[in-house]
Amino acid sequence: KAGVTQTPRYLIKTRGQQVTLSCSPISGHRSVSWYQQTPGQGLQFLFEYFSETQRNKGNFPGRFSGRQFSNSRSEMNVSTLELGDSALYLCASSGRGSFNEKLFFGSGTQLSVL
Amino acid sequence: QQPVQSPQAVILREGEDAVINCSSSKALYSVHWYRQKHGEAPVFLMILLKGGEQKGHDKISASFNEKKQQSSLYLTASQLSYSGTYFCGTGQNRDDKIIFGKGTRLHILP
Repeated sequence: KAGVTQTPRYLIKTRGQQVTLSCSPISGHRSVSWYQQTPGQGLQFLFEYFSETQRNKGNFPGRFSGRQFSNSRSEMNVSTLELGDSALYLCASSGRGSFNEKLFFGSGTQLSVL
Repeated sequence: QQPVQSPQAVILREGEDAVINCSSSKALYSVHWYRQKHGEAPVFLMILLKGGEQKGHDKISASFNEKKQQSSLYLTASQLSYSGTYFCGTGQNRDDKIIFGKGTRLHILP
């Protein structure tokens, strides 16, 4: 069974630009969560989608948005990039969408904002 | 509310034991533990639900004290492969998102 796939693996952008990250969950998984990881801050929750609906949202500004498609693939968009957005962005999928089950993480997209 | 992990970092020699703590200021329904090696994705270790249960596999186990809103991860007779950053994640109810702590870096020396 293929794991969680995130593309691209690396991205370099400049301030003010926007970026779209993609996440393909494990086949059959319906829930996709997004996390931002920066040194010293751990994993900060961005949002979670289940069956194309956003179920939970973290405390990030509106510049961060996401969506989920009918095949459960998810995209995350960050508009008007700031230097502080440089981070590793991880997505995680789970099967039933219960928060009390195992999360499968992708390898992440490393975003650098110059 | 982000859970607090302690210690922030620990260095051990192979064969020694380690304890990593996770505490929250809010009532918890679940605690999740993950390990992330450098440059890799976090990998699931275990989930504990309220009830004070203890779980474990091989030489890694964990406890959850819901009254104290605390969980501890125990690594006994540590191996080189245990090196990495350990994250605890907490949920306040069965439908709540999982909030992770800042992590504990564990380095095992031969």
